[in-house]
Amino acid sequence: GAGVSQSPRYKVAKRGQDVALRCDPISGHVSLFWYQQALGQGPEFLTYFQNEAQLDKSGLPSDRFFAERPEGSVSTLKIQRTQKEDSAVYLCASSIQGLTLSGANVLTFGAGSRLTVL
Amino acid sequence: QKEVEQNSGPLSVPEGAIASLNCTYSDRGSQSFFWYRQYSGKSPELIMFIYSNGDKEDGRFTAQLNKASQYVSLLIRDSQPSDSATYLCAMSFGGGYNKLIFGAGTRLAVHP
Repeated sequence: GAGVSQSPRYKVAKRGQDVALRCDPISGHVSLFWYQQALGQGPEFLTYFQNEAQLDKSGLPSDRFFAERPEGSVSTLKIQRTQKEDSAVYLCASSIQGLTLSGANVLTFGAGSRLTVL
Repeated sequence: QKEVEQNSGPLSVPEGAIASLNCTYSDRGSQSFFWYRQYSGKSPELIMFIYSNGDKEDGRFTAQLNKASQYVSLLIRDSQPSDSATYLCAMSFGGGYNKLIFGAGTRLAVHP
């Protein structure tokens, strides 16, 4: 597609519910990142995929968070038993590059999924 | 201590003035630095990146990097009200897939 598409844009969940957030990256982009952005803060890294391989999940805050990208394109971030502190905007970003030596990995972000846990 | 520090602002400048946004970082292994603009309720969009010491200019924007002092700045010339947004500084490390580490952002307000 023309850009990174995320759905749903808004999600309200009751504490304890499971949620699934979807990201459709730009076609052909190798790298896919998930970030969590709390109100008034910068995005915090959650996890990284290179094609279908999850190479880094060091930012996932607990084992309630799970991400997958089974066919190397669409990715899903799942949060089980949601808690109030999970309320944030979840941003997906993709990049055409996989590994890069220069460090200049240009990410394109989606519009985000705003999760509110009551 | 956060790895990327920014003054949260708001930084208020009059229309037509130069806005100067600053960012310091703590990891000397950082290699590339990015400035993203984020309008309220929208996703971050890349303004420019820099990885060599010195200045890099793109239109009204100039990024400045000083690795010895561990700071990077963004200058916006001829500021416009449409520049009012939060500016996020981010860094990445050389090699690998280069995940970005973001600062908390500086809110810029350009008033007519």
